Amino acid sequence: DAGVIQSPRHEVTEMGQEVTLRCKPISGHDYLFWYRQTMMRGLELLIYFNNNVPIDDSGMPEDRFSAKMPNASFSTLKIQPSEPRDSAVYFCASSLRFGEGTTGEQYFGPGTRLTVT
Amino acid sequence: AQSVTQLDSQVPVFEEAPVELRCNYSSSVSVYLFWYVQYPNQGLQLLLKYLSGSTLVESINGFEAEFNKSQTSFHLRKPSVHISDTAEYFCAVSGWTGGFKTIFGAGTRLFVKA
Repeated sequence: DAGVIQSPRHEVTEMGQEVTLRCKPISGHDYLFWYRQTMMRGLELLIYFNNNVPIDDSGMPEDRFSAKMPNASFSTLKIQPSEPRDSAVYFCASSLRFGEGTTGEQYFGPGTRLTVT
Repeated sequence: AQSVTQLDSQVPVFEEAPVELRCNYSSSVSVYLFWYVQYPNQGLQLLLKYLSGSTLVESINGFEAEFNKSQTSFHLRKPSVHISDTAEYFCAVSGWTGGFKTIFGAGTRLFVKA
């Protein structure tokens, strides 16, 4: 398996522009997570999906952020409009369902480094 | 509720010296415990995990962690570190609390010096 795939790997944009980050989870995984990592705040869970349905979006910082999972093999995280404080590395991760012999360990993608100027 | 505390934000150590990265957790339910490693400019990857049974678990590259239920700890150790072990290490706890939940610690940056 190719692992979790994220695109783009790097994104530089100007304040006010729309940014869309993409993720393809590992085939067969039921859960998909979006994280944000910064030096100041560390690793933050933004939202996670189970079987394409958003379960917990309490970590989404504000209405400028939205996430979708239209099918089992694709998810997007959108920021509109973007601001300099959104600059961070955004990770997507996926896992099998928790229980039934699995323990929910997560498999992370390589991340998207977002810079908003 | 679950929480994870990594007691050291940075740990500098000389090559071939032993190291211990500390992790304490709290949870009202039974948990699974994990250590993840993040090398520079990469995503996190699983290093080792405790599910049940033997309280000492090992990774393929010489790290080990011991689950201590009475002290609610899951410290990570290596008897002799290499330069290539320089990375950030995250402790995580998973448990079923009415829903799937994994909590990550703040991370410990291990810096191995020659």
